[in-house]
Amino acid sequence: QVQLQESGPGLVKPSQTLSLTCTVSGGSISSGSYYWSWIRQPAGKGLEWIGRIYTSGSTNYNPSLKSRVTISVDTSKNQFSLKLSSVTAADTAVYYCAREDLVGAIDYWGQGTLVTVSS
Amino acid sequence: QSALTQPASVSGSPGQSITISCTGTSSDVGSYNLVSWYQQHPGKAPKLMIYEGSKRPSGVSNRFSGSKSGNTASLTISGLQAEDEADYYCCSYAGSNGVFGGGTKLTVL
Repeated sequence: QVQLQESGPGLVKPSQTLSLTCTVSGGSISSGSYYWSWIRQPAGKGLEWIGRIYTSGSTNYNPSLKSRVTISVDTSKNQFSLKLSSVTAADTAVYYCAREDLVGAIDYWGQGTLVTVSS
Repeated sequence: QSALTQPASVSGSPGQSITISCTGTSSDVGSYNLVSWYQQHPGKAPKLMIYEGSKRPSGVSNRFSGSKSGNTASLTISGLQAEDEADYYCCSYAGSNGVFGGGTKLTVL
């Protein structure tokens, strides 16, 4: 059973960089049949797809966030990471890491971690 | 990319059937039969209910079904049960990225 767990600071100051890591257990991140994705959800609002990475290192990003997002992978640690720069209060949300198959189905999700942007 | 369009809310009585629509464009829903649907209970992570338009993951009740016509995908829940009350989101594969719908709150009366 694949499990994903987000970790990182719960509070980030405006204009700084949000950094989160997702640790994958119960399966290898290098399996080659999946993307590893980040999705976020502001309180009381809908889901927003942020981006994804393949084990080769190739990435796809939401065009509206592309200039501020970097997703990377560390296969030796079975982890992947999200960096979102120049954050504002609008970036306050629950951030989920997830496994996405090659045609977009997201079958495993982390429990989510709340990141608040505030001074 | 713009979010897919879903009704904000739908409701039904136990035992009834409801349908949630998800309207996109010819660049996402219309180009691919690759819409997935997610159920989210309050405070919980979303759960995959339908993938590739109409396929159900193992363990998901056959009361849940998906379909597509043109640029609109639909999720139908038959035999409504109290535990079906939740938020539902569609998501479409769009080539190099994914796009979610705004979500629909299902109330079981």
